[in-house]
Amino acid sequence: LAKTTQPISMDSYEGQEVNITCSHNNIATNDYITWYQQFPSQGPRFIIQGYKTKVTNEVASLFIPADRKSSTLSLPRVSLSDTAVYYCLVGDPIKAAGNKLTFGGGTRVLVKP
Amino acid sequence: GAVVSQHPSRVICKSGTSVKIECRSLDFQATTMFWYRQFPKQSLMLMATSNEGSKATYEQGVEKDKFLINHASLTLSTLTVTSAHPEDSSFYICSATTDNEQFFGPGTRLTVL
Repeated sequence: LAKTTQPISMDSYEGQEVNITCSHNNIATNDYITWYQQFPSQGPRFIIQGYKTKVTNEVASLFIPADRKSSTLSLPRVSLSDTAVYYCLVGDPIKAAGNKLTFGGGTRVLVKP
Repeated sequence: GAVVSQHPSRVICKSGTSVKIECRSLDFQATTMFWYRQFPKQSLMLMATSNEGSKATYEQGVEKDKFLINHASLTLSTLTVTSAHPEDSSFYICSATTDNEQFFGPGTRLTVL
């Protein structure tokens, strides 16, 4: 499974856009990029998944350059409730050992008022 | 989205006792369930992969005789921490998968006194 590297933490303010970049230099052809959000004492929650270019949903956008060696999660106009740890995962969601996921260190995002 | 529940949400036990944690997929049948452990301020660590009707596959370094996993049906997997010790105190999270999606439970906080 491809290893990922993310910043340990990021601070932001309410209403700002938060961009978290994840490096995955040895991503494989069949790998997708998935981001999860985790609040304290809760299980991770799926945010977004993509393979290439740009994916957008009601919560976030995911930007993936052509070489796919990195990806950026963009959270528009964050609020205090977006304070959480964000995990970037890389893998084949369908075939990889029964969807086995390997979590990296995650990025702790603190949104300040 | 699909819902995964865990019971209990938190448990406190004495050292040397055994604790059972249940993971249920409430509105879908899960082909595979995973068990993770998370220590404070750390990432999720995969402990084992559980498939209905077969023995669980444990990750390296996880003692299968200490962490007993039973996957009796397509909607229920249990993790039993046997002879628990204070160092087993952690946040245990399960996830359940369909063909191409993985859903996480809310977690169980285990405190061993």
